[in-house]
Amino acid sequence: GAGVSQTPSNKVTEKGKYVELRCDPISGHTALYWYRQSLGQGPEFLIYFQGTGAADDSGLPNDRFFAVRPEGSVSTLKIQRTERGDSAVYLCASSLMGGGRSRNEQFFGPGTRLTVL
Amino acid sequence: AQTVTQSQPEMSVQEAETVTLSCTYDTSESDYYLFWYKQPPSRQMILVIRQEAYKQQNATENRFSVNFQKAAKSFSLKISDSQLGDAAMYFCAYRNSNSGYALNFGKGTSLLVTP
Repeated sequence: GAGVSQTPSNKVTEKGKYVELRCDPISGHTALYWYRQSLGQGPEFLIYFQGTGAADDSGLPNDRFFAVRPEGSVSTLKIQRTERGDSAVYLCASSLMGGGRSRNEQFFGPGTRLTVL
Repeated sequence: AQTVTQSQPEMSVQEAETVTLSCTYDTSESDYYLFWYKQPPSRQMILVIRQEAYKQQNATENRFSVNFQKAAKSFSLKISDSQLGDAAMYFCAYRNSNSGYALNFGKGTSLLVTP
């Protein structure tokens, strides 16, 4: 497909478990973003990758959250020791390049709904 | 830090009528982008319209247009000839032009379109 894809679509886990959420960006997009959308809120920035490196991870809420993008394409968001407060929709977006004055529209995936019981 | 405020949690419009969604933002920057995104129940965020702060002319995209008031830090979205398919959550978002990449979103407005 031509768009951003995310797997799984839904994930239910138990408190304390480890989860991985995957994002496949649009081919050729160097910039990748993760956002978290809690119920009734707008998306909140978590982390931004330019290529393989995390250019800004200031939005990650604590050290239980970690993300990688080893080959500059697919990214995985990893959450350790999940808590009920981690329940949210996790959105991934990609853009041709990151930021600046260029247009760099961010294209979003459909998200992963994480439920921690 | 930049903040985006959407003061209307819900709005309703009849099919074929016009509706305006409000958004205000706070920033000390002079160069930035503003966006309106649509999020249907499928959860996928879709870009509706974009405005560059340095452009005085209001952006338009078919039935969608904005009223950008830079001094007032206001950025409203007008939807003309509303259609049933316009029903969704609408989010206003801000991005700093020079060094920014992350989008700052408001809390959203739920738009209901009635036949």
